[in-house]
Amino acid sequence: DAKTTQPPSMDCAEGRAANLPCNHSTISGNEYVYWYRQIHSQGPQYIIHGLKNNETNEMASLIITEDRKSSTLILPHATLRDTAVYYCIVLFPGQNFVFGPGTRLSVLP
Amino acid sequence: EAQVTQNPRYLITVTGKKLTVTCSQNMNHEYMSWYRQDPGLGLRQIYYSMNVEVTDKGDVPEGYKVSRKEKRNFPLILESPSPNQTSLYFCASSSGGGFNGYTFGSGTRLTVV
Repeated sequence: DAKTTQPPSMDCAEGRAANLPCNHSTISGNEYVYWYRQIHSQGPQYIIHGLKNNETNEMASLIITEDRKSSTLILPHATLRDTAVYYCIVLFPGQNFVFGPGTRLSVLP
Repeated sequence: EAQVTQNPRYLITVTGKKLTVTCSQNMNHEYMSWYRQDPGLGLRQIYYSMNVEVTDKGDVPEGYKVSRKEKRNFPLILESPSPNQTSLYFCASSSGGGFNGYTFGSGTRLTVV
């Protein structure tokens, strides 16, 4: 699996966009970028995934750089309920997931 | 509602007393997996199953057993629990090899005294 690097923590003001970065400089051509989050000891929740193109769903947007060595998860209008640990994972489809320490996002009122 | 159901949510037991944590999914997923989560160590995979009667070890399988006799169920068995197995446990399932993401259960907090 490609190794990922995320900042340990970030703050974001409520109502503003939260931009969570992830570096994956050793990613290979067929590896996907997945994002999950975990809200205080609940089960992790799938957010979004992508290969090369930017992706958007009802929860978030995923921006992948052209060289694919980094990506950014964007929560367009963060709410207090988005406070969670966010995990960036890179792997081939079908590989087992390995969760690193992630980024602890605190949304502040 | 599509979900992964774990039971029990909380369990306190004594060293050496066999226990089973159940996991059931209603999405007809082929793949199921067990994780444990400990402070500072993140989520670590214990065992996984690609389909019925197919199981394999994850990163931390010692002290655990699993079985996959039916597609929907994937119980985690601790034959002789020890205090170092005190942890938060999650079951997860997916289809298509996990391509479209995993669905996780709500977790089981186990304390072994």
